[in-house]
Order: sequence, then C-alpha cells, then structure tokens
Amino acid sequence: QVQLVQSGAEVKKPGASVKVSCKASGYIFTDYYLHWVRQAPGQGLEWLGWIKPNSGDTNYVQRFEDRVTMTRDTSISTAYMELSSLRFDDTAVYFCAREARGAGAHFDLWGQGTLVTVSS
Amino acid sequence: EIVLTQTPATLSLSPGERATLSCRASQSIRNYLAWYQQKPGQAPRLLIYGASTRATGVPARFSGSGSGTEFTLTISSLEPEDFAVYYCQQSTNWPPLTFGGGTKVEIK
Repeated sequence: QVQLVQSGAEVKKPGASVKVSCKASGYIFTDYYLHWVRQAPGQGLEWLGWIKPNSGDTNYVQRFEDRVTMTRDTSISTAYMELSSLRFDDTAVYFCAREARGAGAHFDLWGQGTLVTVSS
Repeated sequence: EIVLTQTPATLSLSPGERATLSCRASQSIRNYLAWYQQKPGQAPRLLIYGASTRATGVPARFSGSGSGTEFTLTISSLEPEDFAVYYCQQSTNWPPLTFGGGTKVEIK
C-alpha cells in the first residue's frame, strides 16, 4: 500500500550527527516532493525543508541551513535527512511527509516518525 | 515569516457537541491553509486543504472555512475518536512553511 516507512529511534551525543531514512512505497517516488517536519516532546510541528526526489533539489528552513542535509536514493525510493552538530534541543520526533497535489503545499502521507534523543 | 495563531489552546467538550477551532494568520494567506489532526504517538493526519476541501476519507462532520487571515475548522458533532490535537498550516508565502501552535480538543 501507499506508505512512508522511517528508520528506527536514535540516541546521539551532543555534537554528533544523525541520519534518518524514509522509504516510500506504493507510489512513484519521483513524482512528489518530500518534506521533513519535527516535533519536540509536547510541542508543535516545525518544518525543516523539502527535497525534490526527481532532481535532488532541496530547500531548507533558514535556521537549519548550516546543519541539515536532505538527500535521496531513487533506486530504492528512499529519502534521507541528516542533522549535524546535534544539541539537546534537537531531541524530537522527525517525520517525513509527502506533499500532495492541490491548493497550496500540504501533506497527505506521513511517515510514522523517528524519535531522535540527544543525551550525554 | 507568517505566524499562525490558534485559539483556544484547549477546548473541553462532550461527545455530540459542536467544536469550533480558529486559526489566524499574521498576514493574508489567501486560501492556502490546511488542517491536521494528531493523536498521541501518531503522525498528523490531513483533514482539510485549500481552507475548505476535505481530504480523501475524512468524514463530512469536519468542515473548513475562511480566507485571508481568519480560518475555522468545525466539527459538527464530536465523536469519541475526534478528541485530539488539531494544527493549521499555511503555504502561501514560503519558505518557511509554518504551523499553528495547535488546539487540543479534550473530553469534558
């Protein structure tokens, strides 16, 4: 069926990097933009950026531009989000989400989320 | 950056009651507004896009309205499964895409 399946939970130390994967199935991976959104414990949703799987083009939210890298491997329909120089306040659930077609950019398909815990 | 303000932060209602959730934008976003429902431990679920179009499979008791800076999500008669947190999200002037802070609909 149509789904996004993310990699498992991670525990990292401050200053380390984490790479989360998001595997698409049931649809043509290169036909839809893929976004990343995070949610700190008990908090709201924060958009991080997108990748265009067809070309690899990316667009990141300004405050993460120097720490986030989004890539993809079209041969296995998988997108990746790497966050470097991790800080305690990067502890969050990271979601990938497919941008749907229609009025405005909105997300009709979400991964299950990956908990990244930054702890010393 | 466009700021979305959701009110109230918490709405305490009983099953069968009508829920009215508000989302206000700091500047006009035309009708480029989406609504999501999120339950604990789950990813958000798309309910409404284009301010008023229900997503596939969303029950008719959910409706969205508004344009410009003022938007409303209405749940006509709350079912037990509707108690959750609801977020609005804009995409008219991005990056960045932005979300509201959320409204929690809880059982009274």
